[in-house]
Parts: sequence; C-alpha cells; structure tokens
Amino acid sequence: GQNIDQPTEMTATEGAIVQINCTYQTSGFNGLFWYQQHAGEAPTFLSYNVLDGLEEKGRFSSFLSRSKGYSYLLLKELQMKDSASYLCAIQAGTALIFGKGTTLSVSS
Amino acid sequence: SAVISQKPSRDICQRGTSLTIQCQVDSQVTMMFWYRQQPGQSLTLIATANQGSEATYESGFVIDKFPISRPNLTFSTLTVSNMSPEDSSIYLCSVVTDTQYFGPGTRLTVL
Repeated sequence: GQNIDQPTEMTATEGAIVQINCTYQTSGFNGLFWYQQHAGEAPTFLSYNVLDGLEEKGRFSSFLSRSKGYSYLLLKELQMKDSASYLCAIQAGTALIFGKGTTLSVSS
Repeated sequence: SAVISQKPSRDICQRGTSLTIQCQVDSQVTMMFWYRQQPGQSLTLIATANQGSEATYESGFVIDKFPISRPNLTFSTLTVSNMSPEDSSIYLCSVVTDTQYFGPGTRLTVL
C-alpha cells in the first residue's frame, strides 16, 4: 500500500519562502506530483518529479529523493494568491494517490 | 492538455435517491478516473474507468454503490446510488494526457 505524509497547516508572510515537505512509503513508484487547490476549485498541476533532484518552474520548485521517500515543494516570493492547499501525490500504478494536503496561509 | 467539464456542478439530493454525474473531455483519453473529496479532506480514488471494459474499483468502493459507464473515449458517468448524508462530497473526474488533469467537480449534498 501507500502512505503519504504532509504537514496539515503552514503559515507564512508575503515575500517569504516556504518549504512544504512530503514523505511517502509506497510499493511502486512512477513519479511524484504536486497540485495546488484553492478552496472550492479543482486541483491544478504544479510539478512532476520522477528522478532525484530539483525541478524549477518559476517561483515554484520541487525536489525528490527516491531513496529517502521524500519530496518538498518550495515556494518563493510568496503572494497572497498562494494561499491554498498543496497536495502531494504518488503515482504507483496508473492513478494518483494523494496525501491529505497542506493548507498554506499567506498573510501580509 | 485536457479540458474537462462535469454536470451537474452541484446538487442537493434526498437520502435514498441516486445521482448520475457526467464527465466530458475535449480529447480522446484511454483512462478516466473518479475521485471523491470529502469536506476538509484530500482526494480519494474511487475507480479507474477504461473504455470497453468494466471499471476497476479501489478498496472500500463497490460497483453497486458507484456504477460507472464509459461508453466512449471522451465521456464517462459516475452514479452515486442509494445516497446517504455520508455521501456528501465533491466528486471529481480526472484524465491523463501529458499529465493528470481534473474536472471542476460536482458538489453533492445529501439531506
């Protein structure tokens, strides 16, 4: 089976940097995804890691260590609109299995 | 990319009734997925629906409760049968093209 752990909540201020961690145990691994979900909306794709290392995309970066079962999402130059839930998901077969999500609150 | 639409966007239903949710994709896709997101929770996979074959259900979900149709490569339906208040949730359709995309969801409230 799969087990995915993320912090439940995080807070940060505008302009800051925040790192959201995700640890996982899985019997199969085809990649790790990060999604952003604003309240009342569908999740939107942020990043995908299948190999170890850092993937950078604008203000967002995602890191993966397969040997440690660990990933993080790094958000730089935080903006108020970044207040949302951030979902870590593992692709073990064909579908994605999601963690419980981290609710990030950005304040001014 | 993929553009996914769902109908209805929301509904309020009485217990014991059934609701069928439709999912339409703007391109042909092999696999479609149905997820549930209960209030304040993350997404839970209900089933995987491939065209031309029976859906594959995850542990805790059964066909009698959540029958799924997949008549072609751009469309699927999920029925929530014999509803109870515990079925109040957002139901999301999802597809994989270059990555996994989600529909806008159907917000279901069961009284």
